[in-house]
Amino acid sequence: AQTVTQSQPEMSVQEAETVTLSCTYDTSESNYYLFWYKQPPSRQMILVIRQEAYKQQNATENRFSVNFQKAAKSFSLKISDSQLGDTAMYFCAFMKGGGSNYKLTFGKGTLLTVNP
Amino acid sequence: NAGVTQTPKFRILKIGQSMTLQCTQDMNHNYMYWYRQDPGMGLKLIYYSVGAGITDKGEVPNGYNVSRSTTEDFPLRLELAAPSQTSVYFCASREGQGANQPQHFGDGTRLSIL
Repeated sequence: AQTVTQSQPEMSVQEAETVTLSCTYDTSESNYYLFWYKQPPSRQMILVIRQEAYKQQNATENRFSVNFQKAAKSFSLKISDSQLGDTAMYFCAFMKGGGSNYKLTFGKGTLLTVNP
Repeated sequence: NAGVTQTPKFRILKIGQSMTLQCTQDMNHNYMYWYRQDPGMGLKLIYYSVGAGITDKGEVPNGYNVSRSTTEDFPLRLELAAPSQTSVYFCASREGQGANQPQHFGDGTRLSIL
């Protein structure tokens, strides 16, 4: 079974600064996908970024980028130029690839507060 | 664009009551999922379905039932509500083949059992 660990329950950052959220995972699979989801106070689950394990290049989406270290089983999220609207819970999630049922395994989340 | 629609948004139940949480998607997605999110925790999978007529258990299925008679609908049934089922429930869907397809989530149902 897969496990996802987010070791930072809460973090805060000043507006316009950069913050990195940590995520580690444990799996014996070689084909898998990793995701970061954002959950603002509205409670919606919003996909922020995804990474295919077979790709060495780190994914980027505008101000969001990841540092994917496959050997270390680490998948951190970097948010640049933080904005007040980035305040949310952030969840790291794992999905086994290869024609599976595409279930997601989530970490417990990190509450990020962006301060003005 | 409706996406994934969950009803109701809030509900309070008494211990022992039953209810059905509704989930509908209009994207013709094959895969659908039910999660629960307890305070300070990530989402845990209750049940999932890979297509109409096919359902399977996730991590925490006890106390719940599901059905998938159509592609669009995936209701979650609580038969005998217990305080431990107080949680926020999320329904999600995704397209079929292609592991890079993300899950699309509904807005959640906050359920309290008193």
